Amino acid sequence: AQKITQTQPGMFVQEKEAVTLDCTYDTSDPSYGLFWYKQPSSGEMIFLIYQGSYDQQNATEGRYSLNFQKARKSANLVISASQLGDSAMYFCAMREGLRETSGSRLTFGEGTQLTVNP
Amino acid sequence: DAGVIQSPRHEVTEMGQEVTLRCKPISGHDYLFWYRQTMMRGLELLIYFNNNVPIDDSGMPEDRFSAKMPNASFSTLKIQPSEPRDSAVYFCASSPRGHREKLFFGSGTQLSVL
Repeated sequence: AQKITQTQPGMFVQEKEAVTLDCTYDTSDPSYGLFWYKQPSSGEMIFLIYQGSYDQQNATEGRYSLNFQKARKSANLVISASQLGDSAMYFCAMREGLRETSGSRLTFGEGTQLTVNP
Repeated sequence: DAGVIQSPRHEVTEMGQEVTLRCKPISGHDYLFWYRQTMMRGLELLIYFNNNVPIDDSGMPEDRFSAKMPNASFSTLKIQPSEPRDSAVYFCASSPRGHREKLFFGSGTQLSVL
């Protein structure tokens, strides 16, 4: 079964507008972490934002925020004030277990290709 | 501050040849990861190290794959013999102790096995 689902293969947004990239997850572990990474056309993976399952508040990092809805098992990425440089592939990922000893296996979704139009 | 450095950036080889991919993690990071990215399977964790010790290699596809981390500043991923289905982008990533969520990825090695 898919543990991470990104239902939007491609998204388009106008420059300066906000965009939401969807991510749903599936786990029976009460302790987990959710991540978003950006992969521009150059290929490298760039960490954007992290949300722990016990975090009370939604994570924010500059123009990125994570809309964490635990009951719905969703962790959508919101990018505010889109810029042309935001055009890239975006990956949602999950790690089950939060302890230092619980391992570091990240499960990635299939990604969403975001295109920001001028 | 230098990021994770991978070499080579691109590798083209013939089936049956040995391939060695190299990675220099960010100084001070305790964790090192090798990932593989393909269109069909997405991003897969192959193996990761903590303080130079392999912790989880369950993602290594076959005995043809091996990874080493002789010291804190260097790791290799070797494929011997290589096969066309090994063609992929191989990423190395590192993260600091206490902040495993922040994986810093290298630029990847694009491997093509003909």
